Amino acid sequence: GAGVSQSPSNKVTEKGKDVELRCDPISGHTALYWYRQSLGQGLEFLIYFQGNSAPDKSGLPSDRFSAERTGGSVSTLTIQRTQQEDSAVYLCASSLSLGGSGETQYFGPGTRLLVL
Amino acid sequence: AQTVTQSQPEMSVQEAETVTLSCTYDTSESDYYLFWYKQPPSRQMILVIRQEAYKQQNATENRFSVNFQKAAKSFSLKISDSQLGDAAMYFCAYRSALAAGNKLTFGGGTRVLVKP
Repeated sequence: GAGVSQSPSNKVTEKGKDVELRCDPISGHTALYWYRQSLGQGLEFLIYFQGNSAPDKSGLPSDRFSAERTGGSVSTLTIQRTQQEDSAVYLCASSLSLGGSGETQYFGPGTRLLVL
Repeated sequence: AQTVTQSQPEMSVQEAETVTLSCTYDTSESDYYLFWYKQPPSRQMILVIRQEAYKQQNATENRFSVNFQKAAKSFSLKISDSQLGDAAMYFCAYRSALAAGNKLTFGGGTRVLVKP
């Protein structure tokens, strides 16, 4: 596609429910990242995928958060038993490849999650 | 761990004038990349400019230029001939050049207001 796409654009859920957020990276990009943007914490890294390598999950805030990337393309971020502090904008980005050459990360429009 | 600091929460500029946004960072690494991203109300992060730490020459992209001072760990963004469309949040970001450190570390952001 022309850019990184994310769905849904907005999601309202009740505390305790599970949510799935989807990211479709730019075609041909092998690296995919999830970030969270919240008022209290700013922009923070969550997880990234590179090809078939094991993902770097070092930024996930708790075991309620998980992500997968199927077929090296689309990724889904799942939040189980949502809490009010999970309310934030979840941003996805992709880049050509991981490595020292500093490939630029291109961002999607984000999913705004509100947990009531 | 690296940290990125943007000391100006908000900056105001008259249309056609120049504004400079500050960014400082803390790292023990010698090879890294620095970025400025723009985030308009649409939420989508847009790359404005990037700088490789090994390059002494400051990067320039049309009306946007940086002043990269490696010894001082400073990376300011100058917006010349400001336009109404420049109004947005601007984020400074750091990325290690090490293969294992591909995530972006962001500053807290600076909101730019452009007065007509």
